[in-house]
Amino acid sequence: EDQVTQSPEALRLQEGESSSLNCSYTVSGLRGLFWYRQDPGKGPEFLFTLYSAGEEKEKERLKATLTKKESFLHITAPKPEDSATYLCAVQARTGANNLFFGTGTRLTVIP
Amino acid sequence: DAGVTQSPTHLIKTRGQQVTLRCSPKSGHDTVSWYQQALGQGPQFIFQYYEEEERQRGNFPDRFSGHQFPNYSSELNVNALLLGDSALYLCASSGPGGNSPLHFGNGTRLTVT
Repeated sequence: EDQVTQSPEALRLQEGESSSLNCSYTVSGLRGLFWYRQDPGKGPEFLFTLYSAGEEKEKERLKATLTKKESFLHITAPKPEDSATYLCAVQARTGANNLFFGTGTRLTVIP
Repeated sequence: DAGVTQSPTHLIKTRGQQVTLRCSPKSGHDTVSWYQQALGQGPQFIFQYYEEEERQRGNFPDRFSGHQFPNYSSELNVNALLLGDSALYLCASSGPGGNSPLHFGNGTRLTVT
């Protein structure tokens, strides 16, 4: 059965203090791993898709990496506007089109 | 370019009632998926519609049903509402191709009393 575990559940950082969020996954053949950002009262906003181990993608202060068992979302020198819940999701290769989400990491960046 | 739009934004219903939620996909997208997000949880897949047919379904009872129209917009219907149906209901659309990422709307917050 597909499983996605995100850690930590919550993270408080000082502005400028870099850190990483973890997403461990179990899936019967990975088609893609997705990172989303969700602000309170809003829908998830797409950030990255990773398809194979070793792949990396960057966007502003965010960098996502992928191994065969987990993905990391690295946040470099975060700003208060990076505060949000970050969701990880996997899509299996077995013909299924849906995404299986983790419960997210709630990030707070303190000025 | 309008993204995914959902209506209404908030809804309060009583146990046993029925509700219909609506979604217009992002321009150029032909596939619509519905997710349920309980407080503090990640979104859970309900079902997906493509070419006006339910293509895939998650682990939700038959009280949850849907429809897709020729213009690709979609509705989610929930019958015989339970207190546990209270959640944020998210609509997501995607374009042609298996690797097109999902783009989400801001959801409908349903409260069942």
